[in-house]
Amino acid sequence: NAGVMQNPRHLVRRRGQEARLRCSPMKGHSHVYWYRQLPEEGLKFMVYLQKENIIDESGMPKERFSAEFPKEGPSILRIQQVVRGDSAAYFCASSPRPGQGYNEQFFGPGTRLTVL
Amino acid sequence: GQNIDQPTEMTATEGAIVQINCTYQTSGFNGLFWYQQHAGEAPTFLSYNVLDGLEEKGRFSSFLSRSKGYSYLLLKELQMKDSASYLCAVKGGATNKLIFGTGTLLAVQP
Repeated sequence: NAGVMQNPRHLVRRRGQEARLRCSPMKGHSHVYWYRQLPEEGLKFMVYLQKENIIDESGMPKERFSAEFPKEGPSILRIQQVVRGDSAAYFCASSPRPGQGYNEQFFGPGTRLTVL
Repeated sequence: GQNIDQPTEMTATEGAIVQINCTYQTSGFNGLFWYQQHAGEAPTFLSYNVLDGLEEKGRFSSFLSRSKGYSYLLLKELQMKDSASYLCAVKGGATNKLIFGTGTLLAVQP
């Protein structure tokens, strides 16, 4: 059973470029969460998606950031016109269903974005 | 508002016991998770509490008091490999997202 997969593991971009981060959830999971971890800080929720739907994007910056989870293929977090402050580790987590009770979120290995 | 507090750093000795505390104030509560995160790696699940009391799992135990907004993670028989960050996270809100504390960096010394 493959776990949550993220790629690339490391991504270097220059200021103003676009960064595209991909996440494939565990088999059978249809709920995806994206978190950002800035250096020396905890994980911060960004967005929660189900297939073809954004359910909660309350943690997503209003500009330059977008996320999607199409019917086919991985979830994608897109950052346009990156700035140095976007440098962070971006983690994706998946869950079979997000309801109450024990529904563990399984984390991927993360993508470490460095903006030069 | 949402607030989760943990100590930033702790140090303990190999073979000893250490308790990592977590206090929380969140809108909505559907359980509290503890994750372990080694540097440069993904968080991995350690424990889950939704009812008051102690959950034991090998060398790791976790306690919850909902009325006090308080949890702790207890690590026994510490090993060097336990040196890591320990993240307290509350599941809450309408969409059950995880709200994380900043993590406690534990250093286990020989």
